[in-house]
Amino acid sequence: DAGVTQSPTHLIKTRGQHVTLRCSPISGHKSVSWYQQVLGQGPQFIFQYYEKEERGRGNFPDRFSARQFPNYSSELNVNALLLGDSALYLCASSLAGTGIYGYTFGSGTRLTVV
Amino acid sequence: EDQVTQSPEALRLQEGESSSLNCSYTVSGLRGLFWYRQDPGKGPEFLFTLYSAGEEKEKERLKATLTKKESFLHITAPKPEDSATYLCAVSLSSNDYKLSFGAGTTVTVRA
Repeated sequence: DAGVTQSPTHLIKTRGQHVTLRCSPISGHKSVSWYQQVLGQGPQFIFQYYEKEERGRGNFPDRFSARQFPNYSSELNVNALLLGDSALYLCASSLAGTGIYGYTFGSGTRLTVV
Repeated sequence: EDQVTQSPEALRLQEGESSSLNCSYTVSGLRGLFWYRQDPGKGPEFLFTLYSAGEEKEKERLKATLTKKESFLHITAPKPEDSATYLCAVSLSSNDYKLSFGAGTTVTVRA
């Protein structure tokens, strides 16, 4: 069974550019969450989508946006990139919109902003 | 403000030397406490979920316990392959759609 798949695995962008990261959840999972992990820190919550609706948003600026598609895959978009956006971006899927069933993480997309 | 604190930040062990990692939390309405393992450059790998004080779970050389204010991850007779960063996270009843993580404990086990 395929786990959570994320693409691309690595990405280098220039300050001010835009980036789109993609995530496919585990088959049957209807919820996708996005996290940002800066080196040496724990992951920080960005968004959760469940059944294509945004259920929660973390303390991130409006430059960050996301959406979930009918097949439950998701995109994270970041506009006007800053050097501080350099991080590992993690996608997590779960069966439902709550954490009670646990979350399965993908391997992440390593974004470097230069 | 809700907070999750892990200690120590780093732990160096000799193979076979048992030890414990701590995760303390100051939150209201705990829904669940999660332990994850993360290898360098990889996503977190799920280990355990604990839901109520007094609960314990085991998997191979790992055992997780939960009290009302903290959780411990005990590593018994560790092997070099147990080297990783161990992350603790909490889910709250008030916003159970997200996990709040600690900064992690990086464990290095020498042969």
